[in-house]
Amino acid sequence: GAVVSQHPSWVICKSGTSVKIECRSLDFQATTMFWYRQFPKQSLMLMATSNEGSKATYEQGVEKDKFLINHASLTLSTLTVTSAHPEDSSFYICSAEDRGSNYGYTFGSGTRLTVV
Amino acid sequence: TQLLKQSPQFLSIQEGENLTVYCNSSSVFSSLQWYRQEPGEGPVLLVTVVTGGEVKKLKRLTFQFGDARKDSSLHITAAQPGDTGLYLCAGVGSARQLTFGSGTQLTVLP
Repeated sequence: GAVVSQHPSWVICKSGTSVKIECRSLDFQATTMFWYRQFPKQSLMLMATSNEGSKATYEQGVEKDKFLINHASLTLSTLTVTSAHPEDSSFYICSAEDRGSNYGYTFGSGTRLTVV
Repeated sequence: TQLLKQSPQFLSIQEGENLTVYCNSSSVFSSLQWYRQEPGEGPVLLVTVVTGGEVKKLKRLTFQFGDARKDSSLHITAAQPGDTGLYLCAGVGSARQLTFGSGTQLTVLP
């Protein structure tokens, strides 16, 4: 089946630093990947749609300069949290759709970001 | 604004009991999916329903899609501790993006 690999699985960083999270589709190509944010005991909130070779589409209220998305290839999208602050601490999850499997969305295992 | 509301938000039951989780939308979606998520992991797809009135069964889980394609339900028969998790419905939008419901945290006690 389709596999999406997300790294790192957890990261602790100091306030003011930047953190990059990678999302890779291992056995299929994904022209579109999605980035979500999840707070404890809450649902997933879509942050942005990552489009290969073009700019990402951000949801309302998500700062594009804060959350930089790069989708340089058909198998890799990256989310960089710039100048991180404690309120950015959250669980970040990516997903990709394997069009070949019909309605197949596969999610990464998530990244727990803690900003101290 | 949450387009998809799930109820109940929390559910704690004994092993062997039956339960139903509801997902109600203010919008029509082309299809609707149900996911189960365990702590520290990404959601795992359980089922996709596409046609209004559709019913799908996955072992002890029964999924229904409302005739108007705005509502859905998940029924679990004879729940087991292994069913414990966060259940999420998600509507598939026109741009293929998913809009997740508010989630139902299920705990099945042995």
